[in-house]
Amino acid sequence: DAGVTQSPTHLIKTRGQHVTLRCSPISGHKSVSWYQQVLGQGPQFIFQYYEKEERGRGNFPDRFSARQFPNYSSELNVNALLLGDSALYLCASTHRDRGQDTQYFGPGTRLTVL
Amino acid sequence: AQTVTQSQPEMSVQEAETVTLSCTYDTSESDYYLFWYKQPPSRQMILVIRQEAYKQQNATENRFSVNFQKAAKSFSLKISDSQLGDAAMYFCAYRSLLYSGGGADGLTFGKGTHLIIQP
Repeated sequence: DAGVTQSPTHLIKTRGQHVTLRCSPISGHKSVSWYQQVLGQGPQFIFQYYEKEERGRGNFPDRFSARQFPNYSSELNVNALLLGDSALYLCASTHRDRGQDTQYFGPGTRLTVL
Repeated sequence: AQTVTQSQPEMSVQEAETVTLSCTYDTSESDYYLFWYKQPPSRQMILVIRQEAYKQQNATENRFSVNFQKAAKSFSLKISDSQLGDAAMYFCAYRSLLYSGGGADGLTFGKGTHLIIQP
């Protein structure tokens, strides 16, 4: 089975622009989580979606939003980009059924804001 | 809110030797999961091992084992017979068990330990 996939791999934007990052979970997984990993730090939780509904949100501003589609893929949107949004954005999927709670990560999208 | 602390920014070990990476966490919950993830230069976060807090037995996966001390809120990772491919950033992570099918299960990560394997 294919793992979690993310696109694009790399992205360069300028301040004030908008960006959309995409994630496809492992087949059969219904939950998708998004994380931001700034260089030299551990990932920080942004959002979790399960069955197309937001189930949790980390401490991020409203410029960050996400959604999940009927096929369980997900998009993370960031508006009005700031230099500080430069980071690796990781997506993780979880089966989330009867103890299948381990999160499996994708390779990430490296976002650079100039 | 839970916090995870990895006090060793960098560790170095000779190939074939054993190394232990430390992790402590702070929580008021009694049921939770703990994880160790490995992130090589390729950036892919790979699950190494997981531990359920209600299990007293320490988890083991081949050369990787943990020392889980619930009362001390400590969760260290031992890597035996270190190999060059073990070189990576290692992250300790915590996950609450509070959700009952409806809440979020976002992971809380430490800052990581950079493991260097000396040939």
